Amino acid sequence: AQSVTQPDIHITVSEGASLELRCNYSYGATPYLFWYVQSPGQGLQLLLKYFSGDTLVQGIKGFEAEFKRSQSSFNLRKPSVHWSDAAEYFCAVVLGYGGSQGNLIFGKGTKLSVKP
Amino acid sequence: DTEVTQTPKHLVMGMTNKKSLKCEQHMGHRAMYWYKQKAKKPPELMFVYSYEKLSINESVPSRFSPECPNSSLLNLHLHALQPEDSALYLCASSQDGQGAYEQYFGPGTRLTVT
Repeated sequence: AQSVTQPDIHITVSEGASLELRCNYSYGATPYLFWYVQSPGQGLQLLLKYFSGDTLVQGIKGFEAEFKRSQSSFNLRKPSVHWSDAAEYFCAVVLGYGGSQGNLIFGKGTKLSVKP
Repeated sequence: DTEVTQTPKHLVMGMTNKKSLKCEQHMGHRAMYWYKQKAKKPPELMFVYSYEKLSINESVPSRFSPECPNSSLLNLHLHALQPEDSALYLCASSQDGQGAYEQYFGPGTRLTVT
């Protein structure tokens, strides 16, 4: 079955340190790929997306992600984490166009904590 | 402007009550979604409206009744809910409901069923 895996349930980094959140998908073709962030009790905010083209995509708040077809991965990175980045991060995919294929499939999320 | 608004922000209701959640977007999007999110879990899709027609119902119990009065508005009518229905209810919208465009989410309604 198609799935999205975020291997890390919880990550803690120091403020100012670099960050990489991992995401792998299980699907034969290249899906559409997304990263969302959710602060406690809030909705989801789209950080970035990949549909096609350049495999390194830039997003909001200084985040970037790299699509690696050979590894079926779409890892999220930030060079220097700020305390306000503490939140839950969801990787999501859309498998195709139309019907239920067009639905978002979410990973289970990675909770990011930031140490002062 | 990529804003989706939801009202109310919080709702407490008894199991015999009838209430409604409201969602609005003014981005010209033609698809709108309802999701349910339990604590420490990802959102779960409930309904998809595409061009004001219900296109997907993910086997949601009939005590949840969606309505799309026009392309900018989406309601979720609640009746005879159970305590396990307590959750964050998220609305989202996208340019179409076919998957080729990103979804934008509202801030959610925190529902507590007593």
